Amino acid sequence: GAVVSQHPSWVICKSGTSVKIECRSLDFQATTMFWYRQFPKQSLMLMATSNEGSKATYEQGVEKDKFLINHASLTLSTLTVTSAHPEDSSFYICSAPRRAQYFGPGTRLTVT
Amino acid sequence: ELKVEQNPLFLSMQEGKNYTIYCNYSTTSDRLYWYRQDPGKSLESLFVLLSNGAVKQEGRLMASLDTKARLSTLHITAAVHDLSATYFCAVDSTNRDDKIIFGKGTRLHILP
Repeated sequence: GAVVSQHPSWVICKSGTSVKIECRSLDFQATTMFWYRQFPKQSLMLMATSNEGSKATYEQGVEKDKFLINHASLTLSTLTVTSAHPEDSSFYICSAPRRAQYFGPGTRLTVT
Repeated sequence: ELKVEQNPLFLSMQEGKNYTIYCNYSTTSDRLYWYRQDPGKSLESLFVLLSNGAVKQEGRLMASLDTKARLSTLHITAAVHDLSATYFCAVDSTNRDDKIIFGKGTRLHILP
């Protein structure tokens, strides 16, 4: 079946720094990818839709200048958390649709 | 606005017992999904249900769909400890945008 990878699987960064998370579709092309954030014991919250060849579309309440999304190619989307704060610590998951939704393994971000 | 409601949100049960998780959604949708999530992990796809009356089974889990009632159930038969996890249902967005809408999840804790 379709496979989506994420890198890194976990990252620790200091407040004020930026961190980039990659999402790749390994065996199919994805013109659209989705980025979610999940806090402990909560459901997935859709942050934004990454669109190849155009700007990302953000869900209400998500700061587009803080969470930069770039759909660099048909197999790669990146999420950059800029000027990270401890409250940005979360589990970030990407997904790509191909008849069904395929989820990456997630990235655990801890901001100290 | 499409909404997905799961109940119960938390379930503690004994091994060997049967139980059902319910998923209601507010408007007609093309597909319904069930996912499993273990602590610290991403989502694992369990079932995709497409049509009214669809029933799928995998091991001790059985999912069904009633599109007229906009209701899906996930039935657990003779629960075992390994089934302890959080289970999410989700449905396709009605906007044809490849998004899926999640329920809040059901945390299932099976006591040995």
